[in-house]
Amino acid sequence: AQSVTQPDIHITVSEGASLELRCNYSYGATPYLFWYVQSPGQGLQLLLKYFSGDTLVQGIKGFEAEFKRSQSSFNLRKPSVHWSDAAEYFCAVELSGGGNKLTFGTGTQLKVEL
Amino acid sequence: GAGVSQTPSNKVTEKGKYVELRCDPISGHTALYWYRQSLGQGPEFLIYFQGTGAADDSGLPNDRFFAVRPEGSVSTLKIQRTERGDSAVYLCASSPQPWTTTDTQYFGPGTRLTVL
Repeated sequence: AQSVTQPDIHITVSEGASLELRCNYSYGATPYLFWYVQSPGQGLQLLLKYFSGDTLVQGIKGFEAEFKRSQSSFNLRKPSVHWSDAAEYFCAVELSGGGNKLTFGTGTQLKVEL
Repeated sequence: GAGVSQTPSNKVTEKGKYVELRCDPISGHTALYWYRQSLGQGPEFLIYFQGTGAADDSGLPNDRFFAVRPEGSVSTLKIQRTERGDSAVYLCASSPQPWTTTDTQYFGPGTRLTVL
């Protein structure tokens, strides 16, 4: 069965510092890959997604992620964090072919220090 | 346009009671998904509808859980004989083109269910 690992439960960064959130997946083939953000009381919002092609994917709010097949990773990055980025971040995978369920990691809670 | 809406936003019930949770997907979206998010966990898939039919219900934990989507739009998740372990946030998502590789699921704010 496919699985998603987010090894960091909590991360604290200073405002203006760079950010990298880690995500590793376990699956026989390359799945579709997603990063979502969840703020308190809000639904999950899609930041970016990877289906194929260029392994560096740009998303909303200045986020990007890089797919590394050799490491089965899809890490999320942002060069300069803003206080409003404080939220919980989820990595998710979907079986290739569309129309299927998402399998989520356990999430990384981001705290931003001013 | 309006996003995915879910009602109620909060539901408190007693152990053994029956509850219904409602999801209104984005207009025109053919696919609808239910997920459950327990405290400190990521969402877990429950069921996926394509139109009116359940295309994949492999995530429903047991036969106390049931979901319908009779007209291919609004969906109701029904839980019988609720247990304290059912307490969680129930998320609904919809997507426009599940048969395409670029399809995206759009999530509602969720219903927080508390079973006392």
